[in-house]
Amino acid sequence: QVQLVQSGAEVKKPGASVRLSCKASGYTFTHYYMHWVRQAPGQGLEWMGIINPSGGSTSYAQKLQGRVTMTRDTSTTTVYMELSSLRSEDTAVYYCARAYNSNDAMDVWGKGTTVTVSS
Amino acid sequence: EIVLTQSPGTLSLSPGERATLSCRASQSVSSTYLAWYQQKPGQAPRLLIYGASSRATGIPDRFSGSGSGTDFTLTISRLEPEDFAVYYCQQYGNSPRTFGQGTKVEIK
Repeated sequence: QVQLVQSGAEVKKPGASVRLSCKASGYTFTHYYMHWVRQAPGQGLEWMGIINPSGGSTSYAQKLQGRVTMTRDTSTTTVYMELSSLRSEDTAVYYCARAYNSNDAMDVWGKGTTVTVSS
Repeated sequence: EIVLTQSPGTLSLSPGERATLSCRASQSVSSTYLAWYQQKPGQAPRLLIYGASSRATGIPDRFSGSGSGTDFTLTISRLEPEDFAVYYCQQYGNSPRTFGQGTKVEIK
């Protein structure tokens, strides 16, 4: 079955970087785009960006430009999201979610990875 | 950036009642690019509706979506116990993709 399996929880200090993974299975990896969405505690959903696993092209939310990098490894069908210069406001659950096209709804979601930024 | 405003913030209803959730956009959104998601505590969001009115795979027909332009609606015809959750609308036709702030449907 289609699955997105995300890496485990992380605790980071302010200023550090974090790299999260999202392993896809049960479908053709390069046929679907992958979004990253985050949710701060008790808050709503915030779109972070999208990667095309086929060619590796990316598009990021403007507020995260310069701090976020999304990459993929087609050999392991895994997408990565790295966020640098972490601050307390980056404490959130981070989700990966696939979409058939860049302008499609997100039909399958990972369970999420909790990132805590604290000194 | 397209801002989506959902109302009400909280909807208190009893099982069996009808729920009507609103999503208003700051500028016109093509119906093709409007989705609704359901999120329960501790879980990832789940796609309910895409293209404003098409149900996602496995979604019961008590869920329906409608609307166009700047005004969209999610209707749950008869609330089941498992429907009490937070619902988000999302537009995915423009970048950045944006979500509404959510409507919580709680048991009255």
